[in-house]
Amino acid sequence: GDSVTQMEGPVTLSEEAFLTINCTYTATGYPSLFWYVQYPGEGLQLLLKATKADDKGSNKGFEATYRKETTSFHLEKGSVQVSDSAVYFCALRSFQKLVFGTGTRLLVSP
Amino acid sequence: DVKVTQSSRYLVKRTGEKVFLECVQDMDHENMFWYRQDPGLGLRLIYFSYDVKMKEKGDIPEGYSVSREKKERFSLILESASTNQTSMYLCASRLTGAREALHFGNGTRLTVT
Repeated sequence: GDSVTQMEGPVTLSEEAFLTINCTYTATGYPSLFWYVQYPGEGLQLLLKATKADDKGSNKGFEATYRKETTSFHLEKGSVQVSDSAVYFCALRSFQKLVFGTGTRLLVSP
Repeated sequence: DVKVTQSSRYLVKRTGEKVFLECVQDMDHENMFWYRQDPGLGLRLIYFSYDVKMKEKGDIPEGYSVSREKKERFSLILESASTNQTSMYLCASRLTGAREALHFGNGTRLTVT
């Protein structure tokens, strides 16, 4: 079935460092791809999305590009802040369902 | 902004109790979902509903049932709670459409003792 694989965390960075969180997927057809973020004590919030190959989603300085040839949707940010500390989930839309990765915890220190 | 409200942030129940988790959304979304979130396992879909009185099993429906009598409300029912159902439960909703994203509530942390 359809699945999403994320890099295991935690990812620990200093403020202003460059961030990459890897995400690859397996799916039939052409799914839409999403990144969600979960701050402590909260539910998940949509961070960005891409709905077709070569689309780039972006929001709050985060970016991810839908790469069909490598079945990837890696999340990047040029300069992280302490407030970016959270758990990040990659997901794909498979028919009516959203399939999530296991999440990657990001810890940013001052 | 879409608001998805889960009735309780924390619940403690005893083994064998019947448990109701309530979720309400205010944006007329057709589709509603219940997930559970566990460390190392991510989010797993329990049940979803694409219309009033309609329901579909997700990946882990065993031990759960759902009710959707009104469009805005989607209830998750644990018929006889067990300790392995201790988890964070997340409700979500969205419009119909391939590009629509899910909107989540803040979650209910359920502990079954």
